[in-house]
Amino acid sequence: AQSVSQHNHHVILSEAASLELGCNYSYGGTVNLFWYVQYPGQHLQLLLKYFSGDPLVKGIKGFEAEFIKSKFSFNLRKPSVQWSDTAEYFCAVNARRGSTLGRLYFGRGTQLTVWP
Amino acid sequence: GAVVSQHPSRVICKSGTSVKIECRSLDFQATTMFWYRQFPKQSLMLMATSNEGSKATYEQGVEKDKFLINHASLTLSTLTVTSAHPEDSSFYICSARDSKYTEAFFGQGTRLTVV
Repeated sequence: AQSVSQHNHHVILSEAASLELGCNYSYGGTVNLFWYVQYPGQHLQLLLKYFSGDPLVKGIKGFEAEFIKSKFSFNLRKPSVQWSDTAEYFCAVNARRGSTLGRLYFGRGTQLTVWP
Repeated sequence: GAVVSQHPSRVICKSGTSVKIECRSLDFQATTMFWYRQFPKQSLMLMATSNEGSKATYEQGVEKDKFLINHASLTLSTLTVTSAHPEDSSFYICSARDSKYTEAFFGQGTRLTVV
């Protein structure tokens, strides 16, 4: 079974600080990887995704993530956070084989609070 | 991206009653829909996968008779929580995808409170 681990449950930063949120998954096969964001009172929105190719993926709002296969990791980064980035961030995994695309396994989520 | 609408956003019901939650894809045909449940301060847990016109596939530990899922059309899936108990109180989220998209799109979620 797949599982996703997000190491940080709550991260507090000042504006302009750099951000890195950890995500590790456990699955031996090929995976698709996602980061979702949930702003207060809003839908889950896709930040970025990795299917194949360049392991450094750029998403919306200046976010990027790097897939390191040997470490089973897909950490999310942003060089300079803004107050509007305050939200909950979820890492998710979907196995490529033997699984329906879209059937996601989520991490616990990381609440990011950015102080102005 | 595509839009998925979930209704209602909040519902309070009495213990023993049933509650129906609707999930609609507004601008695409959702061949597959997913239902998740989120406990406070925990991750989203996949409950079931439903394909239009066929029976839902439930995850291990999810009671089929308690959480009835119907995906009768390409734009609508419903989750009915039958004989609700306070422990069913949770946040339920649906997502939907079409074969032309490489991602699933999420509804806004339904906060269910059983009193």
